Amino acid sequence: EAGVVQSPRYKIIEKKQPVAFWCNPISGHNTLYWYLQNLGQGPELLIRYENEEAVDDSQLPKDRFSAERLKGVDSTLKIQPAELGDSAVYLCASSSEMVSEQFFGPGTRLTVL
Amino acid sequence: QKEVEQNSGPLSVPEGAIASLNCTYSDRVSQSFFWYRQYSGKSPELIMSIYSNGDKEDGRFTAQLNKASQYVSLLIRDSQPSDSATYLCAVNAGNTPLVFGKGTRLSVIA
Repeated sequence: EAGVVQSPRYKIIEKKQPVAFWCNPISGHNTLYWYLQNLGQGPELLIRYENEEAVDDSQLPKDRFSAERLKGVDSTLKIQPAELGDSAVYLCASSSEMVSEQFFGPGTRLTVL
Repeated sequence: QKEVEQNSGPLSVPEGAIASLNCTYSDRVSQSFFWYRQYSGKSPELIMSIYSNGDKEDGRFTAQLNKASQYVSLLIRDSQPSDSATYLCAVNAGNTPLVFGKGTRLSVIA
């Protein structure tokens, strides 16, 4: 069974530029999560989707971050414009239902110069 | 504010010894508890989940949960250098987001 797929794996951009990350969850997993992880910290939830619906986006900085999960499968997370403080690893995870185990993709390491 | 606390380490143990990793959590209604292993530069990998009080064993790994004390631990028997990584404790309660600790860095010395 294929795991969670993310792309790109690495991204370097200049501040104020836009950037987008893509995630394809494990087949059959209805719940999809986007996390942000800074060095030396645990992952922090940005947004959770149940199928197409964003059910928890309270930690998403909506002035510059947006996300979508059309058709309830793959998802895109966008930052526009990026700031220096956005440099981090962006992780996507999926699970078959809210309370069960979450499986992470390889992540996208973003560097904003 | 729901919190999950872990000692950041590093925890150094000799090869073949038992490594004991500890985690406390603040939300008394927490129901699901997970241990993830994260190698440097990699993403978290789920290694154990536990939902009820007591011990759960899987190979060299044993998770221990004590809800009354709000405490969950991970024991790694016969530690190997390949176990050297950061171990993340994660907790949630029902339909709430998973809350992660900052992780404990384990170093197994050959």
